[in-house]
Amino acid sequence: DAGVIQSPRHEVTEMGQEVTLRCKPISGHDYLFWYRQTMMRGLELLIYFNNNVPIDDSGMPEDRFSAKMPNASFSTLKIQPSEPRDSAVYFCASSLASPGYTDTQYFGPGTRLTVL
Amino acid sequence: DAKTTQPTSMDCAEGRAANLPCNHSTISGNEYVYWYRQIHSQGPQYIIHGLKNNETNEMASLIITEDRKSSTLILPHATLRDTAVYYCIVRASYGGSQGNLIFGKGTKLSVKP
Repeated sequence: DAGVIQSPRHEVTEMGQEVTLRCKPISGHDYLFWYRQTMMRGLELLIYFNNNVPIDDSGMPEDRFSAKMPNASFSTLKIQPSEPRDSAVYFCASSLASPGYTDTQYFGPGTRLTVL
Repeated sequence: DAKTTQPTSMDCAEGRAANLPCNHSTISGNEYVYWYRQIHSQGPQYIIHGLKNNETNEMASLIITEDRKSSTLILPHATLRDTAVYYCIVRASYGGSQGNLIFGKGTKLSVKP
């Protein structure tokens, strides 16, 4: 299995531009998570989906952030317009929740976003 | 979720056992102890989890005290590649649903030659 795939691995953009981060979860996993990691705030959950439906988006910092999961094998996190304070590493993770078992989240390699 | 307390950093000699402690004094009966680690510039990696019994897998062992208020992650023969930040997380798990992973600051383990 290829694991969770994220693209791009690095993104440098200018303030005000739209940024789209992409994630392909592990095949068969029905939960997908987006996290953000900064030095100041550490690793924090932004949003997660179950069977392509957003379940909890309380971690999304503001309306400039949006996430979609059009099908079981693809998700996007979009920032529009981007700001320098959005600079961070964004991780996608997926898991398979089996009734009666605890889940394990598998993380992708992350996208390092720099907004100038 | 219950809060956890971990030392900020630890050193370990290569080839020796690394014992990483975690306090979770307010843990509830239905909460599990999870350990993840993050090697520099990589995504977090699951290591092991447990409820009340000690657990062992190919990566590590998890020792949970009888009162469940603390635990220790043991890497039996640490290598340089085990240098990472180790996160102890307490969360509830329910069949078929999810509990958020809340990452604290973790313990930075440095394995030295």
